[in-house]
Amino acid sequence: KAGVTQTPRYLIKTRGQQVTLSCSPISGHRSVSWYQQTPGQGLQFLFEYFSETQRNKGNFPGRFSGRQFSNSRSEMNVSTLELGDSALYLCASSSGGVTGEQYFGPGTRLTVT
Amino acid sequence: AQTVTQSQPEMSVQEAETVTLSCTYDTSENNYYLFWYKQPPSRQMILVIRQEAYKQQNATENRFSVNFQKAAKSFSLKISDSQLGDTAMYFCALIQGAQKLVFGQGTRLTINP
Repeated sequence: KAGVTQTPRYLIKTRGQQVTLSCSPISGHRSVSWYQQTPGQGLQFLFEYFSETQRNKGNFPGRFSGRQFSNSRSEMNVSTLELGDSALYLCASSSGGVTGEQYFGPGTRLTVT
Repeated sequence: AQTVTQSQPEMSVQEAETVTLSCTYDTSENNYYLFWYKQPPSRQMILVIRQEAYKQQNATENRFSVNFQKAAKSFSLKISDSQLGDTAMYFCALIQGAQKLVFGQGTRLTINP
């Protein structure tokens, strides 16, 4: 089974721009979660989508949004980029059941200049 | 709110030695899952081991085992016969109900030849 894929792997943007990151989950998985990883704040939960619906949301401003398509692929968007948005963005895939096991993609490294 | 604490920012051991990483957590729920994830320099987050809170028996996966003390809210990871490939950041994480992992700050483990 193919693992979780994320595109692009690296991205450089300028303050004020917007960015869209993509995540394809493991085949058969219906839940996709997004996390932000920074040296200062560590790993923080952004949001989770299950069957095209956002089920959970972390404590991030409205500039961070996401969506999920019928094939379970997910995108997250960050508008009006700030320097502090520079981070590794990780996507995790799971069946969405109660066992909680999440499998991570390789991440997208976003640098905002 | 759930919290996860890893009190050892860095550890270093010689190859073939046994090492134990500490983790404590706080949650008001009775049903939850605990995980250890490994993040090598490639930044790919890899699931190492999982423990269901309702199971008294400690989980084991080859050279990796946990010491789960539910009353003390402690969840340590023991790596036996450590190998150079075990060098990585190790994150303890908690999940309950919703697909939202709460991570500790991580322990940087270095295995020396």
